Amino acid sequence: QQQVKQSPQSLIVQKGGIPIINCAYENTAFDYFPWYQQFPGKGPALLIAIRPDVSEKKEGRFTISFNKSAKQFSLHIMDSQPGDSATYFCAASTYNQGGKLIFGQGTELSVKP
Amino acid sequence: DVKVTQSSRYLVKRTGEKVFLECVQDMDHENMFWYRQDPGLGLRLIYFSYDVKMKEKGDIPEGYSVSREKKERFSLILESASTNQTSMYLCATHRRGDVYGYTFGSGTRLTVV
Repeated sequence: QQQVKQSPQSLIVQKGGIPIINCAYENTAFDYFPWYQQFPGKGPALLIAIRPDVSEKKEGRFTISFNKSAKQFSLHIMDSQPGDSATYFCAASTYNQGGKLIFGQGTELSVKP
Repeated sequence: DVKVTQSSRYLVKRTGEKVFLECVQDMDHENMFWYRQDPGLGLRLIYFSYDVKMKEKGDIPEGYSVSREKKERFSLILESASTNQTSMYLCATHRRGDVYGYTFGSGTRLTVV
């Protein structure tokens, strides 16, 4: 049972474009929503995270938008660069589950020069 | 920075072999996790451990077992490797109560022939 559904599976944008990756979750007990970035040959690394008490969080060119009522959250990458080409994973967890993360299926992003 | 070291980057094993994947962390993190990563399926949790000698099944534990005899080391065991266990295996650690998420190793690409 996939508790976190991520789309699209792959995405190609031109340099400067704004790729958007979407995730939907089912478990209303989730209270922590991170995004991970993975480059080829590396493990995923934490990019940005949000808790459900805020609707948006920005860190540099990366923004998470969170819609609690719709049980959806998304990652926006402003002014995307070829160096942003990577696989992105959304995830969710509940604090009282000891940090166990449930991941989405991943999105392979390619930013063309 | 926490370092999470996985013993092998690439591994080729034969069907029916017993396979050991090792993960070692150099910080005092309580929680350790084993995931497998497959295209289109994201990261799926195999087993996790909250402390020495403790283990809990994740979403796909069939065909796997784990061992945690020391806090810094978490081993994944494939009792009798099969071709459907060909995958990328990722180890992650997490400090209990930490809001900053997981630290992943670089992964072990296992091929079972």
